[in-house]
Amino acid sequence: AQSVTQLDSQVPVFEEAPVELRCNYSSSVSVYLFWYVQYPNQGLQLLLKYLSGSTLVKGINGFEAEFNKSQTSFHLRKPSVHISDTAEYFCAVALDRDDKIIFGKGTRLHILP
Amino acid sequence: DTGVSQDPRHKITKRGQNVTFRCDPISEHNRLYWYRQTLGQGPEFLTYFQNEAQLEKSRLLSDRFSAERPKGSFSTLEIQRTEQGDSAMYLCASSPGTRFETQYFGPGTRLLVL
Repeated sequence: AQSVTQLDSQVPVFEEAPVELRCNYSSSVSVYLFWYVQYPNQGLQLLLKYLSGSTLVKGINGFEAEFNKSQTSFHLRKPSVHISDTAEYFCAVALDRDDKIIFGKGTRLHILP
Repeated sequence: DTGVSQDPRHKITKRGQNVTFRCDPISEHNRLYWYRQTLGQGPEFLTYFQNEAQLEKSRLLSDRFSAERPKGSFSTLEIQRTEQGDSAMYLCASSPGTRFETQYFGPGTRLLVL
């Protein structure tokens, strides 16, 4: 069965510094990968997704992620964070044969002034 | 586009009571999903509908849980004989219908079972 591991439950980072949120998945078949964000007191929204094609995926709010099949990773990056990026970020995976998405436990991003 | 709405936003109930939650998807979205999220965890898939047909149910969905989408529009999730372990945030999402289209999430219903 597929699974998603987000190694860091919390990541503190100074404003305007770069950030990387790590995500690893396990699956022996083709996968589709997603990053969702949950801002305080708001619903989940899609940041970006990888279905096929270019392994570097650009999303909203300046975020990007790179699909690395050999390392089974899909890390999320932003070159310069803003206080408004304070949120919880969820990595998720879906199999080609499935219609459901499996979410990781989430990483809480704290932006320090 | 008013987004996905869920009602109620909060529910407190006593163990053993039945509760029902409602989800109104984005208009003309064919797919509707239910998830459960507990503290410190990501959303866990419960079930999903393609129009009025319930296509998949998770093993998490015990026989105390039932979901319906009678006319292919809004959906209800009922929990019978609630247990303290049912306390969680229940999330609804909808998508246009093509596989792996973006899912749009509602704000959730937070359930507390005393």
